Amino acid sequence: DVKVTQSSRYLVKRTGEKVFLECVQDMDHENMFWYRQDPGLGLRLIYFSYDVKMKEKGDIPEGYSVSREKKERFSLILESASTNQTSMYLCASSSGTGNHQPQHFGDGTRLSIL
Amino acid sequence: QKEVEQDPGPLSVPEGAIVSLNCTYSNSAFQYFMWYRQYSRKGPELLMYTYSSGNKEDGRFTAQVDKSSKYISLFIRDSQPSDSATYLCAMSGGSNYKLTFGKGTLLTVNP
Repeated sequence: DVKVTQSSRYLVKRTGEKVFLECVQDMDHENMFWYRQDPGLGLRLIYFSYDVKMKEKGDIPEGYSVSREKKERFSLILESASTNQTSMYLCASSSGTGNHQPQHFGDGTRLSIL
Repeated sequence: QKEVEQDPGPLSVPEGAIVSLNCTYSNSAFQYFMWYRQYSRKGPELLMYTYSSGNKEDGRFTAQVDKSSKYISLFIRDSQPSDSATYLCAMSGGSNYKLTFGKGTLLTVNP
């Protein structure tokens, strides 16, 4: 079974802090994704990566950056956290390049910015 | 018009009922269709993955795709309280490999 592990289930940070969310997958997947999920808005794609050291903006990249130094690890960075970034953050991975394989999700990090 | 429309519910049914969950979409390039189940405070879990039109069955779950109507369905037979969750449809196709999600339908199966 695919396993996508997010480092924290719950996280509380303060406004202005730099926040790191970590995600690791154990299936040697090429593709990794970061989403946020908010009531009434559904899942929104923040950033994704098709390869090591490669990144592409999703639909809502403002205020975020990412890092993919190793194939199995994809980090989401909130440069200067703000209260409107309080959300559930979900990491996902999928196999292959240039295909439509399904994504497999971690259990999420519920982040609160005070 | 939104790319994917999904009735948010909530949908409440008695145990043993047949449940029908649906999504409509507008992008004719979509060819790959997925259903995810998400329990409270957990990540989405892949339930069904289908390509193009037709039916796919897995135990009590059946996924149906009608590309001519741009309509997909998930049927749950003999529903159980453990099926209580939010169900998300997702799809992709053409040169766009990103998934487009519905907003999810909250289902409660009452014992």
